[in-house]
Amino acid sequence: AQSVTQLDSQVPVFEEAPVELRCNYSSSVSVYLFWYVQYPNQGLQLLLKYLSGSTLVKGINGFEAEFNKSQTSFHLRKPSVHISDTAEYFCAVSGTGTASKLTFGTGTRLQVTL
Amino acid sequence: DGGITQSPKYLFRKEGQNVTLSCEQNLNHDAMYWYRQDPGQGLRLIYYSQIVNDFQKGDIAEGYSVSREKKESFPLTVTSAQKNPTAFYLCASTLQPGLATGELFFGEGSRLTVL
Repeated sequence: AQSVTQLDSQVPVFEEAPVELRCNYSSSVSVYLFWYVQYPNQGLQLLLKYLSGSTLVKGINGFEAEFNKSQTSFHLRKPSVHISDTAEYFCAVSGTGTASKLTFGTGTRLQVTL
Repeated sequence: DGGITQSPKYLFRKEGQNVTLSCEQNLNHDAMYWYRQDPGQGLRLIYYSQIVNDFQKGDIAEGYSVSREKKESFPLTVTSAQKNPTAFYLCASTLQPGLATGELFFGEGSRLTVL
């Protein structure tokens, strides 16, 4: 079984500042990792995913994440945030088997202000 | 446009009543999922279906039921046996069974409030 820990429930940041949303996972097997974004009263949308290969993954809206196997982390970063990035961000992990299920973290609320 | 449609968007229910949430997709996806979202708890899997006429329990299936009679449709019934049904419910789908590599596509959710 896998588990995900998102260390910060809320992250306030000023517009145009950089941001990092932290995600750590636990698993006894190889994993795939995902970041999803949820705007208010909407479903989730995939930002990016790590399956294999380069540990630095680029996603939509200027976000990127780095897979660090030794630290079991998959932190999400953006060098300069916009007001429109205000949303809830979820980290998720699954095993690599075909029957694997996706386990979500509890979410981090990113609040961007002027 | 292809996507997932959930209805109703908001629903109020009295205690002891069953309620059915609709989920329809026109993405031609094989697999469909129901998640429950509560504040500060992330998403928890209720039921999933990888093929028509087949479905499996997720982590919190008690008090819920589903059917998958058509590829496009995966309705969720919240029964009176569900002790704390007030929540935001999300339906999702993937092109192929197995979540490992696939992207989950989500509907916009249904917010159920029990009065």
